[in-house]
Amino acid sequence: DTGVSQNPRHKITKRGQNVTFRCDPISEHNRLYWYRQTLGQGPEFLTYFQNEAQLEKSRLLSDRFSAERPKGSFSTLEIQRTEQGDSAMYLCASSLERTDRTYNEQFFGPGTRLTVL
Amino acid sequence: AQSVTQPDIHITVSEGASLELRCNYSYGATPYLFWYVQSPGQGLQLLLKYFSGDTLVQGIKGFEAEFKRSQSSFNLRKPSVHWSDAAEYFCAVLQAGTALIFGKGTTLSVSS
Repeated sequence: DTGVSQNPRHKITKRGQNVTFRCDPISEHNRLYWYRQTLGQGPEFLTYFQNEAQLEKSRLLSDRFSAERPKGSFSTLEIQRTEQGDSAMYLCASSLERTDRTYNEQFFGPGTRLTVL
Repeated sequence: AQSVTQPDIHITVSEGASLELRCNYSYGATPYLFWYVQSPGQGLQLLLKYFSGDTLVQGIKGFEAEFKRSQSSFNLRKPSVHWSDAAEYFCAVLQAGTALIFGKGTTLSVSS
């Protein structure tokens, strides 16, 4: 399977705990995005990476959230001191930006569903 | 700021009937517009996209959409709906070449 993969698919945690999600993009893709989707809403952009550099962060990404892409391949999203409001589906997407900067499709993974009790 | 509005939260269509899902966007320049479909347990799948040129775009699974600048709309259509089309549909606009701004989605139910 050469699509975007995310692990775990489901995570249940207690308020105040830390959680970490992993995203493995399509292998040749140099861009990686994180989105959050709450019930009844469309996905909301959180952040994106170009290779290992984090180039943009949404105001939704509070100080408790941190994302990394250390070698420009997989990425992790960590949430510290989780709150019930963090319960959501966390989606990862990847794309290939070419040298001519034409836009290319973002391919989405299946998501990690987080439930904070 | 860019935004996308999908006025219909839930639509039910009979199998074999035609479908139109509405999408309105707010964007200063020529928008890059998308329709995605999301089935339970699945990631978002791109149905079609509009960047420029012909305002009627064809996508996968028999879907098409028409860009109307005067109405700031990008409505999704399908002439004959199949039961497997039941899913959630999202319209999106590309912001600054990176982030996708999504609408809240329309849930499509198909009745037999």
